[in-house]
Amino acid sequence: ETGVTQTPRHLVMGMTNKKSLKCEQHLGHNAMYWYKQSAKKPLELMFVYSLEERVENNSVPSRFSPECPNSSHLFLHLHTLQPEDSALYLCASSARDRDLSTDTQYFGPGTRLTVL
Amino acid sequence: GQNIDQPTEMTATEGAIVQINCTYQTSGFNGLFWYQQHAGEAPTFLSYNVLDGLEEKGRFSSFLSRSKGYSYLLLKELQMKDSASYLCAVRDGGFKTIFGAGTRLFVKA
Repeated sequence: ETGVTQTPRHLVMGMTNKKSLKCEQHLGHNAMYWYKQSAKKPLELMFVYSLEERVENNSVPSRFSPECPNSSHLFLHLHTLQPEDSALYLCASSARDRDLSTDTQYFGPGTRLTVL
Repeated sequence: GQNIDQPTEMTATEGAIVQINCTYQTSGFNGLFWYQQHAGEAPTFLSYNVLDGLEEKGRFSSFLSRSKGYSYLLLKELQMKDSASYLCAVRDGGFKTIFGAGTRLFVKA
């Protein structure tokens, strides 16, 4: 247990469905992240929230929509996804500050998403 | 561009030592991380290097040379449970963390 939980662990959805992924961290961190992990590819950073404001977005398609209501919760809203969006979606959190801290990220177990 | 290279797969024998290399080219550098990821599980933090040299933590050690853009993770006294993927990640000048594709390590008896 890393102190970061994700639900659901597995999700199968059609291209016309709308679903949401949830992440919760119990570590008192102030930054949360969404990553996409596809087979044999590097982790791709999708979104970063620091102090509840989105500070980075790597040109992710608009069919992915993040929401961070507070520093402990993070959502990823999904709609009209494509089969190539099938992947493991990982949430992480860290204690980010500007003074060269390690900013080590702690990951949740991920949601295995399959888009039919 | 930003790039992190590490071998795709390695195989080693139980009880042996294995070294997993990582080279990187990034715009700035603010630290290098190693993570372990077992199949179907979350990546877990192993080590962090920001200065040149060797950091030792039990059976695992991590080395960094900033001038060469190079790091390695050394695993001693290998155990079957060490079979996993090992991810090298670099925090660039903008404090963005960039991950390599990972090295799958197979430990055989």
